[in-house]
Order: sequence, then structure tokens, then C-alpha cells
Amino acid sequence: EAAVTQSPRNKVAVTGGKVTLSCNQTNNHNNMYWYRQDTGHGLRLIHYSYGAGSTEKGDIPDGYKASRPSQENFSLILELATPSQTSVYFCASGDRFLSNERLFFGHGTKLSVL
Amino acid sequence: GDQVEQSPSALSLHEGTGSALRCNFTTTMRAVQWFRKNSRGSLINLFYLASGTKENGRLKSAFDSKERYSTLHIRDAQLEDSGTYFCAAVSYQGGRALIFGTGTTVSVSP
Repeated sequence: EAAVTQSPRNKVAVTGGKVTLSCNQTNNHNNMYWYRQDTGHGLRLIHYSYGAGSTEKGDIPDGYKASRPSQENFSLILELATPSQTSVYFCASGDRFLSNERLFFGHGTKLSVL
Repeated sequence: GDQVEQSPSALSLHEGTGSALRCNFTTTMRAVQWFRKNSRGSLINLFYLASGTKENGRLKSAFDSKERYSTLHIRDAQLEDSGTYFCAAVSYQGGRALIFGTGTTVSVSP
């Protein structure tokens, strides 16, 4: 069964600290995505990747970096966390089913920056 | 664990026609959200329902927690309705924020 696993599930960080959110997929999908969910905004795309070694900026990349060291792993990095980055973060992997992509989401990571 | 089954995976419509997307849940869910993926990859909120139905323009959504399903109806489809639609359920079980369906790709043709 397709699986996307995020860690940690919950994280409390201090302003100015470094935070790394991890995502692992066992789907062998090329595409991976990081979103944040905020009330009134839906899920906004932060960074995405087409495969190992690739990272691309999404709609709201400022303040975030991404790393795709392998097909399976895609990390989101907050070098200097700010309270405005308090949110719920979702990772997803995507297939290309008949040229239309389905997304498989992780459980989400709730991040609080104090 | 809790699951969301979304169908169909792909839907082709002619302009002016309509159809429905459906999400079935394996357990009782507290609420459901429907999103549409835009061209940049963001998922835009369409509806949030804890019960009943909501309507917005040519879109209408229903959620029945007891029967464990939600639907999204598109009527009078227009070309700009093409895209991928996702449902996501909020579970009563602790710990999970949203449980997503895998999406329905809607293609509207003239």
C-alpha cells in the first residue's frame, strides 16, 4: 500500500531555531511536495521535487529550504524559525496516472514556533 | 487505520453537463474539506462541512457522517472547472489532522 510518513507528528520550536521536517515515501514516486495548511488559505505549496537531487520553489518558498537526497526522502528545513511559520505541514508524493497526478499525503506535522 | 476512498479517479465532462465526485470513509469522520489543486500545485479550499450541504456557484457539497460519505457535485460544467479535486476528512481519532483522498482529475471539453 502506498505510504507517506512524516516525522515528527508534533514539534514545538523557539524563534530563531532550526527545524527539520522529514518525509519518507515508499511509493517510488518521482514527485514530492511540501504544503502548509492555514485557515482561509487551503494548502499552499512551499517546495516540491521531481526526483532525487531536485528541489523547486512553490508558491510560498520564503523562509524554507528543501532537500531531496533520495527518491524516498524529502525534507523541509526552517533555518531560522519564526512564529508566522506556526502551521500544519503536509508532505505528499505524486504518481502520474494516465498523465493526471494523484497525490498521497502524509499525516501532517503540527509545528508551533514560540 | 482510517481511510478515505475517492472516486472516480478521472472524470470527463462536456461543457454544460454535470456529475458528482464521492468520498467514502471507513470510519465516522468529524468533518470533510474539499480542495481544488491549482496550476501551481496549491490546494484551494472549496468547502468545509461538519454536516449537511453547502453550495457555492455551480458546486455543491454534501456530508453525511453517519453514512460515512461526502459528495461534490459540479453542475453546468465550464472549461475552467478542469483540474484535480481532493477531499480530506477530519477524523474523530486523535492525532491526525486531515486524511486525504487521492484526488479526482476532472477534464471539461467543449
